[in-house]
Amino acid sequence: ETGVTQSPTHLIKTRGQQVTLRCSSQSGHNTVSWYQQALGQGPQFIFQYYREEENGRGNFPPRFSGLQFPNYSSELNVNALELDDSALYLCASSLVGRTYNEQFFGPGTRLTVL
Amino acid sequence: KNEVEQSPQNLTAQEGEFITINCSYSVGISALHWLQQHPGGGIVSLFMLSSGKKKHGRLIATINIQEKHSSLHITASHPRDSAVYICAAPYSGGGADGLTFGKGTHLIIQP
Repeated sequence: ETGVTQSPTHLIKTRGQQVTLRCSSQSGHNTVSWYQQALGQGPQFIFQYYREEENGRGNFPPRFSGLQFPNYSSELNVNALELDDSALYLCASSLVGRTYNEQFFGPGTRLTVL
Repeated sequence: KNEVEQSPQNLTAQEGEFITINCSYSVGISALHWLQQHPGGGIVSLFMLSSGKKKHGRLIATINIQEKHSSLHITASHPRDSAVYICAAPYSGGGADGLTFGKGTHLIIQP
């Protein structure tokens, strides 16, 4: 158990809809990263939030957006869903200070877009 | 963006064999991660290392910063070691950064 939880576990949406995925970080962790993992592939970095501000972004369009809250929870929002957005979405929390620290992963949310 | 290459993609071995998985990356980094993913998706961090060698039980990870290369070794492999092993490096090489992952090595240990 990493202490990181995600909800929901599974989700089915249709093309064009919007979705919000939620992550609860380990208590005290100031950083959350979101990743997309397509079937059979390694995870791809979407973005990272540090102290409620976006702190780095991978090669994902603006319809992928996020929020981080002071209570160690965060959200990933995806607008105008496309079929290729079907994937496992993982969040990982860490405590980033002077040195790079270990990331603790949640169990993921499996999103299916029909 | 850091590029992470991992080999082999698939590996099947007999119980007791010594296993080596290799990883190379393109941009100098603060730390390299080795992770394990089981069917169903859960990812567990095995090692985070920035130099030399680390050992946890039967798992050993080494890194050569100059050559931008790391290896994960499993001694006396066991069927319960069967999983996907993934190496990951900071996305842009820096410290406070998301991770770029290799495609993973699907390891099967047969009894």
